[in-house]
Amino acid sequence: AAGVIQSPRHLIKEKRETATLKCYPIPRHDTVYWYQQGPGQDPQFLISFYEKMQSDKGSIPDRFSAQQFSDYHSELNMSSLELGDSALYFCASSFGGAYNEQFFGPGTRLTVL
Amino acid sequence: AQTVTQSQPEMSVQEAETVTLSCTYDTSESNYYLFWYKQPPSRQMILVIRQEAYKQQNATENRFSVNFQKAAKSFSLKISDSQLGDTAMYFCAFSKGGSEKLVFGKGTKLTVNP
Repeated sequence: AAGVIQSPRHLIKEKRETATLKCYPIPRHDTVYWYQQGPGQDPQFLISFYEKMQSDKGSIPDRFSAQQFSDYHSELNMSSLELGDSALYFCASSFGGAYNEQFFGPGTRLTVL
Repeated sequence: AQTVTQSQPEMSVQEAETVTLSCTYDTSESNYYLFWYKQPPSRQMILVIRQEAYKQQNATENRFSVNFQKAAKSFSLKISDSQLGDTAMYFCAFSKGGSEKLVFGKGTKLTVNP
C-alpha cells in the first residue's frame, strides 16, 4: 500500500538559510498535517490543510509557512533558520472520517549548523 | 485545550512478559479519539491501536490492548508476550476527530530485555 512520502529525508543547512520540505500524502487522503519533533521530545503540531485550505495552526513560527497544492502535496518553507529548528519534521495524512487515523511519513531530519 | 500525560518516562520488561503503559488526559469534549503510537529507533511513527471514546468496549489488536476508563480519563496500553521488537518509544495521543490535530504525551521509552 502507498505510504506518505517525504523529501528530502535528511537536510543540513546553515543558520539564516532557507529550507523547503515536501510531503506527498497517501492518494485520496484529504488532510495533511505537519509536526515537529525536537530531540527527546514528543511531536508538536505545526499546521494542517484540509482540501488545500489551511484548517488549523499550532506553534508554528512566523518564519515558517506552508501550503498545499492542487495535486495535494504540501510544502513547508522555513526561512532564517535557527539552531533550534534542528528537528525531525513529520508529515501525516488522513482521509476525513470520524476517527481521523493519521498515517505518518518517515520524516525529514533537519540539521541547522 | 487538551492535555495528555504519560507519567512513566521509562519502563523495562522481560521478553514474553506483560507490561502496561499509563496515560491520562484532560478534555471537556464528550466525543474524541485516543491513540497509541510506537516510535522505534528508526523514528517512524507507527499506529498501534485506537479507541473511540463513545465505544465502551476496549480496543484490542493482537498482543496490544487498552484499558479505557472514560470517567477517570485514563487510557493505558497493555502489551502481552513482549517481544524484542516492541522496544520503542510509545506515545499516547488525543484527537477530537475529523481532521483535527493529534496532541501527544511526552512518551514512555520501553525496553524489552532478552
